[in-house]
Amino acid sequence: DTGVSQDPRHKITKRGQNVTFRCDPISEHNRLYWYRQTLGQGPEFLTYFQNEAQLEKSRLLSDRFSAERPKGSFSTLEIQRTEQGDSAMYLCASSLAVKNTEAFFGQGTRLTVV
Amino acid sequence: AQTVTQSQPEMSVQEAETVTLSCTYDTSESDYYLFWYKQPPSRQMILVIRQEAYKQQNATENRFSVNFQKAAKSFSLKISDSQLGDAAMYFCACLRVSGTYKYIFGTGTRLKVLA
Repeated sequence: DTGVSQDPRHKITKRGQNVTFRCDPISEHNRLYWYRQTLGQGPEFLTYFQNEAQLEKSRLLSDRFSAERPKGSFSTLEIQRTEQGDSAMYLCASSLAVKNTEAFFGQGTRLTVV
Repeated sequence: AQTVTQSQPEMSVQEAETVTLSCTYDTSESDYYLFWYKQPPSRQMILVIRQEAYKQQNATENRFSVNFQKAAKSFSLKISDSQLGDAAMYFCACLRVSGTYKYIFGTGTRLKVLA
């Protein structure tokens, strides 16, 4: 399978714990996005990388959230001191660096904070 | 700031009939792209159709077509000959192509297909 891969698919954590999610984009894609989706809502932009550079970070992303993309390949999204409001589906997407290309999405990581 | 609005939280259509999903957007950009994505239950989002804003001709992909009204900033999706497999959430998205390339999504429309 050469699509966008996310790990884990599901994560249940206790409030206050740290969690880390991984995204492996399609190999030739140099753009990588993280979105958050809550039930019944559309994906909300969190952050965006072009290669290894993090070019934009949403104001929705508090200081507890950090994302990395070392060497421009896979990416990680870490949430520190999780809160119940962090419960959501976290989606990763990747795309080529051309204008009209669509983003390809992974299946997401569903986070439940108890 | 870009915004995308989908005013129909849910729509229903009889199998084999036609349905139109609405989307309006707001952007100050002159160069942008519009997309419709489908998200089946518990499955990943996939592209349905895309439209370049500089093209006047409406995009078509098999049973899916769009009505792109640039002046009105409207981008509706028409699904013809609806099939049971079309049941899903549909998201309209706008891609800004200046500065950072960021996709902005609407809140979605849940499409039910009735047998």
